[in-house]
Amino acid sequence: DAKTTQPPSMDCAEGRAANLPCNHSTISGNEYVYWYRQIHSQGPQYIIHGLKNNETNEMASLIITEDRKSSTLILPHATLRDTAVYYCIVRVLAAGNKLTFGGGTRVLVKP
Amino acid sequence: SAVISQKPSRDICQRGTSLTIQCQVDSQVTMMFWYRQQPGQSLTLIATANQGSEATYESGFVIDKFPISRPNLTFSTLTVSNMSPEDSSIYLCSVSGTEVISGNTIYFGEGSWLTVV
Repeated sequence: DAKTTQPPSMDCAEGRAANLPCNHSTISGNEYVYWYRQIHSQGPQYIIHGLKNNETNEMASLIITEDRKSSTLILPHATLRDTAVYYCIVRVLAAGNKLTFGGGTRVLVKP
Repeated sequence: SAVISQKPSRDICQRGTSLTIQCQVDSQVTMMFWYRQQPGQSLTLIATANQGSEATYESGFVIDKFPISRPNLTFSTLTVSNMSPEDSSIYLCSVSGTEVISGNTIYFGEGSWLTVV
């Protein structure tokens, strides 16, 4: 069962930061927070993951609250190509552990 | 990252027939998974493909309908048997535990779009 809650949709303006929230109040101590996105007609694309510290890479930043019950994915300068469904997933970091997808957030970047 | 290739990328199939989807990875991987995404829906895990042994199926999916093979560490197939229009979906191969990717992150192929008529 999916263990995360995300808003079903959100709009953001091109060039502005997009902040995507995710609630995971039942997260276990050994579960990581993963973010993927799926652009229409493509396979899901890995974005970032983290355990408790904030993480940043070339695509996005991940901010995890101190109690780890929620997180925010930040796209610093949204472009039209960032329009996609964004999935927040919690998962134990081990090779055999699968991803369980929820409904995700449908993000529309507007010019 | 690893390159994951799926064939076919798209197909239109007659009901009652079967189709085999191939997944090829350019490096050895520990784990391979097969997902289904029905129109307008999220992804659902079908099974974990185990090298040299029978796949591990999720609830609601059975081997007779979705036989899976994984003969080595870089290749797997998923067959959709006796297809009906309800099988029209995107079928996605995913992998983790590669030599070139650390952290056991899971990566996805581009998917195979099946339409059953």
